[in-house]
Amino acid sequence: AQKITQTQPGMFVQEKEAVTLDCTYDTSDQSYGLFWYKQPSSGEMIFLIYQGSYDEQNATEGRYSLNFQKARKSANLVISASQLGDSAMYFCASLKTSYDKVIFGPGTSLSVIP
Amino acid sequence: DSGVTQTPKHLITATGQRVTLRCSPRSGDLSVYWYQQSLDQGLQFLIHYYNGEERAKGNILERFSAQQFPDLHSELNLSSLELGDSALYFCASSVGRGSVYEQYFGPGTRLTVT
Repeated sequence: AQKITQTQPGMFVQEKEAVTLDCTYDTSDQSYGLFWYKQPSSGEMIFLIYQGSYDEQNATEGRYSLNFQKARKSANLVISASQLGDSAMYFCASLKTSYDKVIFGPGTSLSVIP
Repeated sequence: DSGVTQTPKHLITATGQRVTLRCSPRSGDLSVYWYQQSLDQGLQFLIHYYNGEERAKGNILERFSAQQFPDLHSELNLSSLELGDSALYFCASSVGRGSVYEQYFGPGTRLTVT
């Protein structure tokens, strides 16, 4: 079965610094997608970035980039130039294209320090 | 604003009761997903509908049921409610099924069972 592991329950980063949130996944599928979502204290889930298993280049969306290492089954989120508003829970998730079951990791709580 | 709407935003009810949560997907999205987020279980996938048909089931209890109507809105019915059903219930929508597309989440319905 698919499984997402996020080994960092909580992290701190200084404002304006870059931070990497770890995500590893366990799948035997060849085709899949990996996502990152942000959940601020207000509760909504905000889509950040997506990486397809066949994409050769790492995905980037503004200050977010996904460091995709397929052989290591890792999909780490890099946030550059952290802002106070980045303080939130971050969830890594995967989607099996053939069965459409989305699996979420346990999340990492990021706190940005001024 | 993701374009996904959920009603009600908050719901407080007693054990044994039945409630209905409603979700309207983004314009043009055919897929609707339901998730449950609780402190002890994290974010769990419940069920996926595509264009009115059930496509995938996750950790959905038999006391729970869902459907997607011809206008593509979806309802999640929770019956014989227990204290442990208290959670944040999210609906998400995406363009299609099979291929991987990002899912956009609604604001959630916070259910409290007393």
